[in-house]
Amino acid sequence: KAGVTQTPRYLIKTRGQQVTLSCSPISGHRSVSWYQQTPGQGLQFLFEYFSETQRNKGNFPGRFSGRQFSNSRSEMNVSTLELGDSALYLCASKTGGLNTEAFFGQGTRLTVV
Amino acid sequence: QKEVEQNSGPLSVPEGAIASLNCTYSDRGSQSFFWYRQYSGKSPELIMSIYSNGDKEDGRFTAQLNKASQYVSLLIRDSQPSDSATYLCAVHSGGGADGLTFGKGTHLIIQP
Repeated sequence: KAGVTQTPRYLIKTRGQQVTLSCSPISGHRSVSWYQQTPGQGLQFLFEYFSETQRNKGNFPGRFSGRQFSNSRSEMNVSTLELGDSALYLCASKTGGLNTEAFFGQGTRLTVV
Repeated sequence: QKEVEQNSGPLSVPEGAIASLNCTYSDRGSQSFFWYRQYSGKSPELIMSIYSNGDKEDGRFTAQLNKASQYVSLLIRDSQPSDSATYLCAVHSGGGADGLTFGKGTHLIIQP
């Protein structure tokens, strides 16, 4: 069974630009969550999508948004990039239950210059 | 503010010994608890999940949960150099509002 796939693996963007990251969950998984990992803040929850609807949202500004498609694939968008957005962005998929196990993809390393 | 606390380490353990990793959480309503292992430059890998008080064993790993004390631990028996990594404790409140709350992780070093 294929795992969670994130693309691209690495990105370099300029401050002020926008970026879109993609995540394909494990087959049969309907929930996709996004997390930001930085050395200072650790892993922080961005949002979760289930059946194309945002089910939960973390404490991030509106520049961070996402969506989920009917095949459960998800995209995350960050607009007006800031230097502080440089981080590892991780996608996690799970079957759908709120308390079930979440499995992470390899992550997208975003560098904002 | 929901918090998950872990000792950042490094925790140094001789090969073959038992490594004990600890985690405390602030939200009494938390319902599910997870341990992830993260190697440098890699993404977190799920090791164990635990939902009820007591012990749960899987191979060399044992997770322990004490909801009254708001405490979760992970024991690694017969530690191997390949176990050297950062171990992340994650907690889900069950209300579903916030996703997983992670601790900052404990850096474990297994000395050959």
